[in-house]
Amino acid sequence: GAGVSQSPSNKVTEKGKDVELRCDPISGHTALYWYRQSLGQGLEFLIYFQGNSAPDKSGLPSDRFSAERTGGSVSTLTIQRTQQEDSAVYLCASSPMTSGGETQYFGPGTRLLVL
Amino acid sequence: AQSVAQPEDQVNVAEGNPLTVKCTYSVSGNPYLFWYVQYPNRGLQFLLKYITGDNLVKGSYGFEAEFNKSQTSFHLKKPSALVSDSALYFCAVRPTVNYGQNFVFGPGTRLSVLP
Repeated sequence: GAGVSQSPSNKVTEKGKDVELRCDPISGHTALYWYRQSLGQGLEFLIYFQGNSAPDKSGLPSDRFSAERTGGSVSTLTIQRTQQEDSAVYLCASSPMTSGGETQYFGPGTRLLVL
Repeated sequence: AQSVAQPEDQVNVAEGNPLTVKCTYSVSGNPYLFWYVQYPNRGLQFLLKYITGDNLVKGSYGFEAEFNKSQTSFHLKKPSALVSDSALYFCAVRPTVNYGQNFVFGPGTRLSVLP
Protein backbone atom coordinates (compact mmCIF):
# COMPACT_ATOMS: atom_id res chain seq x y z
CA GLY A 1 0.00 0.00 0.00
CA ALA A 2 0.93 3.67 -0.14
CA GLY A 3 3.38 4.93 2.43
CA VAL A 4 3.63 8.30 4.10
CA SER A 5 3.93 11.08 1.55
CA GLN A 6 5.14 14.62 2.02
CA SER A 7 5.02 17.67 -0.17
CA PRO A 8 6.79 19.55 -1.43
CA SER A 9 9.96 17.48 -1.54
CA ASN A 10 12.03 20.64 -1.67
CA LYS A 11 11.19 24.21 -0.75
CA VAL A 12 13.34 27.29 -1.14
CA THR A 13 12.02 30.46 0.42
CA GLU A 14 13.18 33.89 1.44
CA LYS A 15 13.70 34.90 5.02
CA GLY A 16 10.50 36.31 6.48
CA LYS A 17 8.13 34.36 4.24
CA ASP A 18 5.64 31.79 5.54
CA VAL A 19 5.79 28.16 4.39
CA GLU A 20 3.40 25.23 4.62
CA LEU A 21 4.57 21.64 4.61
CA ARG A 22 2.13 18.82 4.04
CA CYS A 23 2.03 15.25 5.28
CA ASP A 24 -0.30 12.48 4.13
CA PRO A 25 -0.07 9.60 6.61
CA ILE A 26 -0.80 5.98 5.92
CA SER A 27 -4.54 5.41 5.81
CA GLY A 28 -5.88 4.27 9.18
CA HIS A 29 -2.89 5.44 11.19
CA THR A 30 -4.11 7.44 14.16
CA ALA A 31 -0.77 8.80 15.32
CA LEU A 32 1.21 11.40 13.36
CA TYR A 33 4.55 12.96 14.22
CA TRP A 34 6.62 15.83 12.89
CA TYR A 35 10.39 15.93 13.31
CA ARG A 36 13.13 18.26 12.16
CA GLN A 37 16.52 17.03 11.06
CA SER A 38 19.25 19.58 10.59
CA LEU A 39 22.19 18.76 8.35
CA GLY A 40 24.02 15.74 9.72
CA GLN A 41 22.07 15.87 12.97
CA GLY A 42 19.61 13.66 14.75
CA LEU A 43 15.87 14.00 14.83
CA GLU A 44 14.29 16.79 16.81
CA PHE A 45 10.71 16.10 17.88
CA LEU A 46 8.30 18.88 16.99
CA ILE A 47 4.70 17.80 17.49
CA TYR A 48 2.60 14.65 17.93
CA PHE A 49 -1.05 14.04 17.07
CA GLN A 50 -2.94 11.04 18.45
CA GLY A 51 -6.51 10.57 17.29
CA ASN A 52 -8.80 13.24 18.66
CA SER A 53 -6.61 14.04 21.65
CA ALA A 54 -4.99 17.42 22.07
CA PRO A 55 -1.65 17.40 20.24
CA ASP A 56 1.64 17.30 22.11
CA LYS A 57 3.26 20.56 20.98
CA SER A 58 6.12 20.43 23.45
CA GLY A 59 8.76 20.21 20.75
CA LEU A 60 7.81 23.26 18.72
CA PRO A 61 10.83 25.59 18.92
CA SER A 62 8.93 28.89 18.79
CA ASP A 63 5.49 30.37 18.28
CA ARG A 64 6.34 30.78 14.60
CA PHE A 65 5.74 27.04 14.26
CA SER A 66 2.27 25.53 14.25
CA ALA A 67 0.64 22.40 12.93
CA GLU A 68 -2.82 21.06 12.41
CA ARG A 69 -4.33 17.78 11.42
CA THR A 70 -7.63 17.94 9.61
CA GLY A 71 -10.10 15.08 9.86
CA GLY A 72 -7.59 12.92 11.61
CA SER A 73 -5.63 12.45 8.41
CA VAL A 74 -3.61 15.06 6.50
CA SER A 75 -1.37 17.33 8.54
CA THR A 76 0.12 20.72 7.71
CA LEU A 77 3.15 22.20 9.44
CA THR A 78 3.31 25.97 9.09
CA ILE A 79 6.37 28.09 9.73
CA GLN A 80 5.72 31.81 9.83
CA ARG A 81 8.32 34.48 9.18
CA THR A 82 10.95 31.90 8.31
CA GLN A 83 14.50 32.33 9.52
CA GLN A 84 17.70 30.89 8.11
CA GLU A 85 18.03 28.60 11.13
CA ASP A 86 14.76 26.96 10.08
CA SER A 87 16.59 25.37 7.15
CA ALA A 88 16.40 21.61 7.68
CA VAL A 89 14.67 18.48 6.53
CA TYR A 90 11.20 18.16 8.01
CA LEU A 91 10.12 14.56 8.47
CA CYS A 92 6.63 13.27 9.08
CA ALA A 93 5.83 9.82 10.45
CA SER A 94 2.65 7.93 11.23
CA SER A 95 1.81 4.84 13.21
CA PRO A 96 -1.26 2.76 14.09
CA MET A 97 -1.21 3.85 17.71
CA THR A 98 -2.78 1.22 19.91
CA SER A 99 -0.36 0.15 22.62
CA GLY A 100 2.73 2.32 22.26
CA GLY A 101 5.06 -0.16 20.63
CA GLU A 102 3.98 0.47 17.08
CA THR A 103 6.53 1.17 14.41
CA GLN A 104 6.65 4.65 12.97
CA TYR A 105 6.60 4.88 9.22
CA PHE A 106 8.45 7.87 7.88
CA GLY A 107 7.87 9.95 4.81
CA PRO A 108 10.72 11.05 2.55
CA GLY A 109 10.83 14.49 4.11
CA THR A 110 10.65 18.08 2.90
CA ARG A 111 13.99 19.80 2.50
CA LEU A 112 13.53 23.46 3.43
CA LEU A 113 16.10 26.09 2.57
CA VAL A 114 15.62 29.62 3.84
CA LEU A 115 17.75 32.17 2.02
CA ALA B 1 13.48 12.90 31.37
CA GLN B 2 14.05 10.19 28.83
CA SER B 3 17.16 10.25 26.68
CA VAL B 4 19.07 8.15 24.20
CA ALA B 5 22.82 8.15 23.71
CA GLN B 6 24.75 6.84 20.76
CA PRO B 7 28.32 7.31 21.94
CA GLU B 8 29.93 6.96 18.53
CA ASP B 9 29.36 9.55 15.83
CA GLN B 10 31.08 7.33 13.28
CA VAL B 11 31.78 3.62 13.01
CA ASN B 12 34.07 2.23 10.35
CA VAL B 13 34.23 -1.47 9.61
CA ALA B 14 35.63 -3.59 6.81
CA GLU B 15 33.24 -5.52 4.62
CA GLY B 16 32.71 -9.01 5.94
CA ASN B 17 33.60 -8.09 9.50
CA PRO B 18 31.05 -7.95 12.31
CA LEU B 19 29.63 -4.56 13.19
CA THR B 20 28.21 -3.05 16.36
CA VAL B 21 26.44 0.28 16.72
CA LYS B 22 25.95 1.22 20.34
CA CYS B 23 22.90 2.65 22.06
CA THR B 24 22.18 3.34 25.70
CA TYR B 25 19.04 4.90 27.10
CA SER B 26 17.52 6.48 30.14
CA VAL B 27 13.78 6.15 30.63
CA SER B 28 11.41 5.67 33.50
CA GLY B 29 10.04 2.16 33.63
CA ASN B 30 10.51 -0.35 30.86
CA PRO B 31 11.06 0.93 27.35
CA TYR B 32 10.07 0.15 23.85
CA LEU B 33 13.29 0.30 21.82
CA PHE B 34 13.75 0.81 18.11
CA TRP B 35 16.45 1.02 15.47
CA TYR B 36 16.00 2.95 12.26
CA VAL B 37 18.32 3.40 9.29
CA GLN B 38 18.55 6.39 6.98
CA TYR B 39 20.16 6.06 3.58
CA PRO B 40 21.36 9.22 1.81
CA ASN B 41 18.51 11.52 0.78
CA ARG B 42 15.93 9.08 2.08
CA GLY B 43 13.53 8.98 5.00
CA LEU B 44 14.05 6.69 7.96
CA GLN B 45 13.38 3.00 7.57
CA PHE B 46 12.47 0.68 10.41
CA LEU B 47 15.01 -2.06 11.19
CA LEU B 48 13.82 -3.74 14.37
CA LYS B 49 12.25 -3.19 17.76
CA TYR B 50 12.13 -4.64 21.23
CA ILE B 51 8.73 -4.74 22.90
CA THR B 52 8.88 -7.66 25.30
CA GLY B 53 10.08 -11.24 25.49
CA ASP B 54 13.37 -12.50 24.12
CA ASN B 55 16.14 -10.00 24.66
CA LEU B 56 17.66 -10.77 21.26
CA VAL B 57 15.64 -9.22 18.47
CA LYS B 58 16.20 -9.99 14.80
CA GLY B 59 15.25 -7.52 12.13
CA SER B 60 15.64 -6.53 8.53
CA TYR B 61 18.76 -7.03 6.37
CA GLY B 62 20.36 -9.46 8.84
CA PHE B 63 20.55 -6.98 11.70
CA GLU B 64 19.89 -7.91 15.29
CA ALA B 65 19.94 -6.12 18.63
CA GLU B 66 20.15 -7.23 22.22
CA PHE B 67 18.20 -5.60 25.00
CA ASN B 68 20.25 -5.46 28.18
CA LYS B 69 18.18 -4.12 31.02
CA SER B 70 20.96 -3.99 33.60
CA GLN B 71 23.17 -1.96 31.27
CA THR B 72 20.23 -0.04 29.74
CA SER B 73 21.62 -0.79 26.32
CA PHE B 74 20.25 -1.87 22.97
CA HIS B 75 23.27 -2.31 20.70
CA LEU B 76 22.72 -3.05 17.02
CA LYS B 77 24.77 -5.85 15.52
CA LYS B 78 25.37 -7.68 12.29
CA PRO B 79 27.67 -10.68 11.90
CA SER B 80 29.02 -9.71 8.49
CA ALA B 81 28.87 -6.13 7.22
CA LEU B 82 28.10 -5.19 3.62
CA VAL B 83 29.14 -2.01 1.82
CA SER B 84 25.43 -1.39 1.26
CA ASP B 85 24.96 -1.16 5.04
CA SER B 86 26.71 2.21 4.99
CA ALA B 87 24.13 4.67 6.30
CA LEU B 88 23.05 6.71 9.32
CA TYR B 89 21.58 4.64 12.15
CA PHE B 90 19.23 5.95 14.82
CA CYS B 91 18.24 4.37 18.10
CA ALA B 92 14.90 5.45 19.59
CA VAL B 93 13.09 4.85 22.86
CA ARG B 94 9.56 5.20 24.12
CA PRO B 95 8.45 4.45 27.68
CA THR B 96 5.86 1.74 28.20
CA VAL B 97 4.38 3.75 31.03
CA ASN B 98 2.48 6.79 29.80
CA TYR B 99 3.25 5.92 26.22
CA GLY B 100 1.37 8.98 25.13
CA GLN B 101 4.74 10.58 25.31
CA ASN B 102 6.63 10.90 22.11
CA PHE B 103 9.59 8.95 20.87
CA VAL B 104 13.09 10.16 21.67
CA PHE B 105 15.76 9.54 19.07
CA GLY B 106 19.48 9.31 19.59
CA PRO B 107 21.80 11.63 17.65
CA GLY B 108 22.63 8.96 15.10
CA THR B 109 25.73 6.98 14.22
CA ARG B 110 27.18 7.04 10.75
CA LEU B 111 28.29 3.60 9.66
CA SER B 112 30.85 3.27 6.90
CA VAL B 113 31.58 -0.19 5.57
CA LEU B 114 34.79 -0.22 3.60
CA PRO B 115 35.27 -2.64 0.70
